[in-house]
Amino acid sequence: DGGITQSPKYLFRKEGQNVTLSCEQNLNHDAMYWYRQDPGQGLRLIYYSQIVNDFQKGDIAEGYSVSREKKESFPLTVTSAQKNPTAFYLCASSIPRDTQYFGPGTRLTVL
Amino acid sequence: EDQVTQSPEALRLQEGESSSLNCSYTVSGLRGLFWYRQDPGKGPEFLFTLYSAGEEKEKERLKATLTKKESFLHITAPKPEDSATYLCAVQSGDKFYFGSGTKLNVKP
Repeated sequence: DGGITQSPKYLFRKEGQNVTLSCEQNLNHDAMYWYRQDPGQGLRLIYYSQIVNDFQKGDIAEGYSVSREKKESFPLTVTSAQKNPTAFYLCASSIPRDTQYFGPGTRLTVL
Repeated sequence: EDQVTQSPEALRLQEGESSSLNCSYTVSGLRGLFWYRQDPGKGPEFLFTLYSAGEEKEKERLKATLTKKESFLHITAPKPEDSATYLCAVQSGDKFYFGSGTKLNVKP
């Protein structure tokens, strides 16, 4: 049963704390993406990776970091430098330059 | 600047009342246009991919069309279970650009 999983579903962060969001896919896709969704706005690209051990900044990468050590995994760390991290975070994967498929999302809230 | 605009922001329909959602775009080198459905608190669910002007795709009550400047998602005789936010995205190079969505509410 192929798909994309994200964990946790809900995450709470204290001021000054780093947190890591997990994204795993078993679709054998080379490309993976992280987006942020805020109410009333379109999805905004944080980081993307077209191949293992390589990734590029998206439009709003400041305060975030990623790694791509395995094809199946693309974790996102929200650092303390991200001043407004409360949002819904979505991970997606695709064959490069083709349709993206999304995970169920992680809702991050700053306490 | 690459941009995607969806209209209307919200749409209320009676069950069975057909209508269309619009996605207009300005991107250089369009590689594809994508429609997704998103339910509250969930990830977007893929509906259609369109690659060239004149292309059409259908799935149940939904039909997507594409011109050089915009795409339409036609909903024929909608049902309450069609209520959701519909997102449009375009691909230019390696990046995808999303509109802010149309929130559809179908009343019984």
